[in-house]
Amino acid sequence: SQQGEEDPQALSIQEGENATMNCSYKTSINNLQWYRQNSGRGLVHLILIRSNEREKHSGRLRVTLDTSKKSSSLLITASRAADTASYFCASASYNQGGKLIFGQGTELSVKP
Amino acid sequence: NAGVTQTPKFQVLKTGQSMTLQCAQDMNHNSMYWYRQDPGMGLRLIYYSASEGTTDKGEVPNGYNVSRLNKREFSLRLESAAPSQTSVYFCASSIHGGEPDEQYFGPGTRLTVT
Repeated sequence: SQQGEEDPQALSIQEGENATMNCSYKTSINNLQWYRQNSGRGLVHLILIRSNEREKHSGRLRVTLDTSKKSSSLLITASRAADTASYFCASASYNQGGKLIFGQGTELSVKP
Repeated sequence: NAGVTQTPKFQVLKTGQSMTLQCAQDMNHNSMYWYRQDPGMGLRLIYYSASEGTTDKGEVPNGYNVSRLNKREFSLRLESAAPSQTSVYFCASSIHGGEPDEQYFGPGTRLTVT
C-alpha cells in the first residue's frame, strides 16, 4: 500500500489541552497537507506545508515537517469541543500528477 | 458557489447491478478525483482526471470506470457491483496548475451492495 501512517489512531483530551498528531509518509514529496473530516462529512483542507518549509502556523494550528525522517506533526493548541473530528495527512509529489496519498487518520475527541 | 456536489447521497444496490455516481464542481478546477473511504483505511484513490479529456487509474481502480464529461463533471461507474464495493465515495477537485494543491471535497455518497 502507498498509504502513510498516522499516530495515534485515536486521541481523547479535555477542552483547553493541546492535541498532537503525527504522520509518516513513504516517498519524497513536494508538499504535505492536513485535512479534517467531521463525522459523516467530506474532508476540509486545513493547511499545506511545502518540502522546503519546516514549520507553518495557521490560527491554533501548527504543522512541522521533517523530510529527512519523512514525518510531519499537527498540533492543535487550546482545543475546543468543536475540534472533535478525524484528521488526515496527505502527501503530494510532482511526479504523481497532483495525486494525494492519504494517511489512515487520527480520530480526535475533545471533551468539554 | 456550490463547490463540489455529488449525487446520490445514499444508494443500495444488489450484487451485479450497475450505477453511476455523479460529481460536478463550479470552481473552474482542472483536476478531479474519485476516492473511496473504508473504516480504518483512510481515503484511497480510485481514478483521477488531471485535466479535461484525460483520466488515469489510482490505487484501487478495479471494478470501476470513469468519464470526464467536461471540465465541470466527472462520473464514476460501477458496471457490476460487488459487496466489496460497499463504501463511502468522495469526489474532489483541485486547481492543479502545476504544484499539487489543496483538494476540495464533496459530501460523499454512501453505497451499500447487498
